[in-house]
Amino acid sequence: DAEITQSPRHKITETGRQVTLACHQTWNHNNMFWYRQDLGHGLRLIHYSYGVQDTNKGEVSDGYSVSRSNTEDLPLTLESAASSQTSVYFCASSEAAGTDTQYFGPGTRLTVL
Amino acid sequence: GQNIDQPTEMTATEGAIVQINCTYQTSGFNGLFWYQQHAGEAPTFLSYNVLDGLEEKGRFSSFLSRSKGYSYLLLKELQMKDSASYLCAVRDARAGNNRKLIWGLGTSLAVNP
Repeated sequence: DAEITQSPRHKITETGRQVTLACHQTWNHNNMFWYRQDLGHGLRLIHYSYGVQDTNKGEVSDGYSVSRSNTEDLPLTLESAASSQTSVYFCASSEAAGTDTQYFGPGTRLTVL
Repeated sequence: GQNIDQPTEMTATEGAIVQINCTYQTSGFNGLFWYQQHAGEAPTFLSYNVLDGLEEKGRFSSFLSRSKGYSYLLLKELQMKDSASYLCAVRDARAGNNRKLIWGLGTSLAVNP
């Protein structure tokens, strides 16, 4: 069955370290999104991509970067982790056709100490 | 501006019916989504409305009035497993933004025996 996976599921890191969160989908979806979810803020868009080699900034992109070298993967990199980036991170993908419904990965809980 | 409002919390009894409202003010509209999110898990897609009216899917129904900027999610025959957060999201129809979603903060529903 097609799916969307994230790794790691849990990560603890230290301030200043570079961290990369992986997202992999097997639906062959063109669109992929990264969100963070924090109490009181709901889901906030970090970066998104509409296809290979396409990346765009979302509303909270500072301190994060993404790259899209193939259809299946959109890794999210925290260049220099900060405590304010402690959060739950969700990756999502959509087909860019029909209802264009976004389907979410299981999430990564990141703690920056 | 872009704004989505939902009640923060609701409580209902097992077997009953509950209606969760969502009002939105967006620069453009191209569809409204409802997602369910259990604690510690990813959001999962429930329903999509783009035209006015009621969409029924088993115990869950979703209604949309575009002229009023209003939607509701109706849950019938409530079960304990329906205890979750329910997220309303509107697709932004502005040029270049039409695959992005604007998210409400979610309504936390507690179903009591």
